[in-house]
Amino acid sequence: QVQLVETGGGLVRPGNSLKLSCVTSGFTFSNYRMHWLRQPPGKRLEWIAVITVKSDNYGANYAESVKGRFTISRDDSKSSVYLQMNRLREEDTATYYCSSGYYAYWGQGTLVTVSA
Amino acid sequence: DIQMTQSPSSLSASLGERVSLTCRASQDIGSSLNWLQQEPDGTIKRLIYATSSLDSGVPKRFSGSRSGSDYSLTISSLESEDFVDYYCLQYASSPPTFGAGTKLELK
Repeated sequence: QVQLVETGGGLVRPGNSLKLSCVTSGFTFSNYRMHWLRQPPGKRLEWIAVITVKSDNYGANYAESVKGRFTISRDDSKSSVYLQMNRLREEDTATYYCSSGYYAYWGQGTLVTVSA
Repeated sequence: DIQMTQSPSSLSASLGERVSLTCRASQDIGSSLNWLQQEPDGTIKRLIYATSSLDSGVPKRFSGSRSGSDYSLTISSLESEDFVDYYCLQYASSPPTFGAGTKLELK
C-alpha cells in the first residue's frame, strides 16, 4: 500500500538549519509532483512548496513565507522528496507533512520546533 | 491568494445525524477543491477530490457538492469515527490554500 514517511524533525535554534526527508513507496513516485505542507500548533494547514516531475524540469514553487530560505528537492531513484530549511525562525515551528499529486496521499508528519 | 472561509469552526452533533460543512472561496476555483479529514494524532486523509469525487475506500456516507462559490461536505449519518477535524483545500490557484477547519464533536 501507499506509504509516505517523513523524518528529520526536531528541536533547532533560530537561525539554524534542518533537512527533512520523505521516503515513499507503493506508487510510481517519478510520475507525481510532490508537496511539503505544515501545520503550526492549533492552526490551519499551510502549503509551503511543490516540486514537479522530470518532464517539467523539476520546477519548484514556494510560499512567500519560506521563499529564499527553504529548498525542495527530489531523488526519483530513492522515491524521496526533501526540504532543506535554512535561517529557521520561531514561526516555522510546525508539524511538516509531505503529500503527493493532488494531495491524495499524506505522510504522518514530523514536528519541527524552533526555539532558543 | 484565494481565501477559503470554512464554517462552522465547530459542530456538535449526534450519532446518526446528517451534517454539512461549508467552504466559501473568495475567487472562482471551479471544481478544484478537496476535503481532508485529520485525526487527533495528526493523520490526514483525503476524502473528496475535485469537489464531489469520493476517494477509494471512503464510506459512501461522505459526499461533496458545490453551489456557486460555496462548497459543501455532507456526512449523511454520523458514525463514531467521524468526530474529528475536517479541512477544505483549493488547488485552482497558487498558492493552494486551506480553510480554517471544522471540529466535529459528539453531542
